[in-house]
Amino acid sequence: SQQGEEDPQALSIQEGENATMNCSYKTSINNLQWYRQNSGRGLVHLILIRSNEREKHSGRLRVTLDTSKKSSSLLITASRAADTASYFCASTDSWGKLQFGAGTQVVVTP
Amino acid sequence: DTEVTQTPKHLVMGMTNKKSLKCEQHMGHRAMYWYKQKAKKPPELMFVYSYEKLSINESVPSRFSPECPNSSLLNLHLHALQPEDSALYLCASSPGTGADTQYFGPGTRLTVL
Repeated sequence: SQQGEEDPQALSIQEGENATMNCSYKTSINNLQWYRQNSGRGLVHLILIRSNEREKHSGRLRVTLDTSKKSSSLLITASRAADTASYFCASTDSWGKLQFGAGTQVVVTP
Repeated sequence: DTEVTQTPKHLVMGMTNKKSLKCEQHMGHRAMYWYKQKAKKPPELMFVYSYEKLSINESVPSRFSPECPNSSLLNLHLHALQPEDSALYLCASSPGTGADTQYFGPGTRLTVL
């Protein structure tokens, strides 16, 4: 079953702009991960943030985690057309089960 | 080799057919997963194998039968499927079944007529 919500459901921006998407989850987690999926293909792992971390960076990606609010955000800076994809957050419980959010569809136009 | 491969890429089958989806990884991962993803929806976990043994079955109908012949291979046997089973089937693997990153294959697009 779906763990949480993501917003916005869809985001349309121009190249060079930043894209921010948010994710909420419902239960205690070991970590939270963000994945990207290009048009019905496999998911690509972007970044993992552990429950005791508050912020993490990887290249143009910045992820925050607020366990008190059970929420996370993904910021993509200086977006490119190649960033067009669906982005999913996924919380991981102690069993290693991934529970995905509904996803945010991002379109970056040149 | 740092990828998960899946075959076939596309599969069309009738409701009376028997077919199998295959997944392979050579990263030495000991956990493997099957997910089902409908259009514009997130992936939903179906099965988890840990050290070649089925550890989680998310109440999947018996017309889906997983099999893990060895630590590198994962199959999903399909029989008497329904049109609503049409979806993208994703395989993933991870080093263990803890809170590890999962590595996904490209998926098999299944259409049931």
